[in-house]
Amino acid sequence: EIVLTQSPGTLSLSPGERATLFCRASQSVGSSFFGWYQQKPGQAPRLLIYGTASRAAGIPDRFRGSGSGTDFTLTISRLEPEDFAVYYCQQYGSSHLAFGQGTKLEIK
Amino acid sequence: QVLLVESGGGVVQPGGSLRLSCAASGFSFSRHGMQWVRQAPGKGLEWVAFIQYDGTNTYYADSVKGRFAVSRDNSKSTLYLQMNSLRSEDTAVYYCTKDQATDWQTGDCSDSWGQGTLVTVSS
Repeated sequence: EIVLTQSPGTLSLSPGERATLFCRASQSVGSSFFGWYQQKPGQAPRLLIYGTASRAAGIPDRFRGSGSGTDFTLTISRLEPEDFAVYYCQQYGSSHLAFGQGTKLEIK
Repeated sequence: QVLLVESGGGVVQPGGSLRLSCAASGFSFSRHGMQWVRQAPGKGLEWVAFIQYDGTNTYYADSVKGRFAVSRDNSKSTLYLQMNSLRSEDTAVYYCTKDQATDWQTGDCSDSWGQGTLVTVSS
């Protein structure tokens, strides 16, 4: 099974700053089978990025996904107040899907 | 618009059973794989199970394999999760999710989520 490790565990930034979140896989993941989700307190997760770099419907272009192989990145170019949440990476390239443990993006 | 509504959660004793349902609408249910994802209180997301669009293939996380069974009734646009031999570590909010891809044999990213149903395993 593929294990995903996200870093950092918590990221403290201010609105307007740039956020960079990382996800490392224990083995190579096809770029078509990697995504990111956002979850706010009391809400279900929401798909942000699929296929490593494609934004889901309605996701603003300040969210950008990149990476390949075992290393993937989610970048938020200019943080808005509504972006402070928990972010999860996911691989879906095998019969056993997996999520990372999450990165909490908090207001500094 | 896509709507996924889970039901069937509640409090159950260790060793007990529970059956979750997920009523789907707003899309061609029979063309999309479906999944269950859970989240223990204050914890992260854990993938639980996947079922192919036509029910042909199912896959499970090792933590639930042999105890949980996912099924679907395409005539009713409903997804199920039969949970047996429940343990305290199964306590979580269980989400039903819709795969983005159509007519695909393995799990895909989840582009729609239900609101979740809470399962509490406690004596």
